Amino acid sequence: QSALTQPASVSGSPGQSITISCTGTSSDVGGYNYVSWYQQHPGKAPKLMIYDVSKRPSGVSNRFSGSKSGNTASLTISGLQAEDEADYYCSSYTSSSTDVLFGGGTKLTVL
Amino acid sequence: QVQLVESGGGVVQPGGSLRLSCAASGFTFSSYGMHWVRQAPGKGLEWVAFIRYDGSNKYYADSVKGRFTTSRDNSKNTLYLQMNSLRAEDTAVYYCAKDDSSGYYQIDYWGQGTLVTVSS
Repeated sequence: QSALTQPASVSGSPGQSITISCTGTSSDVGGYNYVSWYQQHPGKAPKLMIYDVSKRPSGVSNRFSGSKSGNTASLTISGLQAEDEADYYCSSYTSSSTDVLFGGGTKLTVL
Repeated sequence: QVQLVESGGGVVQPGGSLRLSCAASGFTFSSYGMHWVRQAPGKGLEWVAFIRYDGSNKYYADSVKGRFTTSRDNSKNTLYLQMNSLRAEDTAVYYCAKDDSSGYYQIDYWGQGTLVTVSS
């Protein structure tokens, strides 16, 4: 069981928007603005999409955005495209240990 | 650009040992902490270990503590993971990853991974 909780799967049609949630506790997601999101295509390495809750690395499409409310962080993808179909993982700093926390991953299907 | 290239994976028997390497380029390796993260077949990401930029501090997941050791050679821009007493549940793709140096253990770049299979 992962430390951070994500839905197993989400889906959406091209052009639509979807949101993936990542729920933790006040010791991690809720207590600090150090949540990252990673995209992973099958057989490939993860790629950083969002860091510090809502910041986008250079080169990442502005269709990807991040936010946080309480103990839950969210990744929103707008204007869904076929290439967005992938697994998405959240990660957070925690003050409870020296571990790096990951969510269990969410499989995004573009219908 | 940042490049991380893992090597050393393979098939090993339960109880055996393996050493993974990660060759880094495209950034000042000696200035950044580094992580190891693994992914079992069909499963999610699991953080394994972290080493500070100068090797002065190392942290491990409970699942590998006492069996795995991470180290680095800043003169060779190389990160290592020594894995001993391997178990079937250690079977996974092992990624080395660069810390963003924020002080909060966020990963900004990943290698392509190397597969470790523990099987008799």
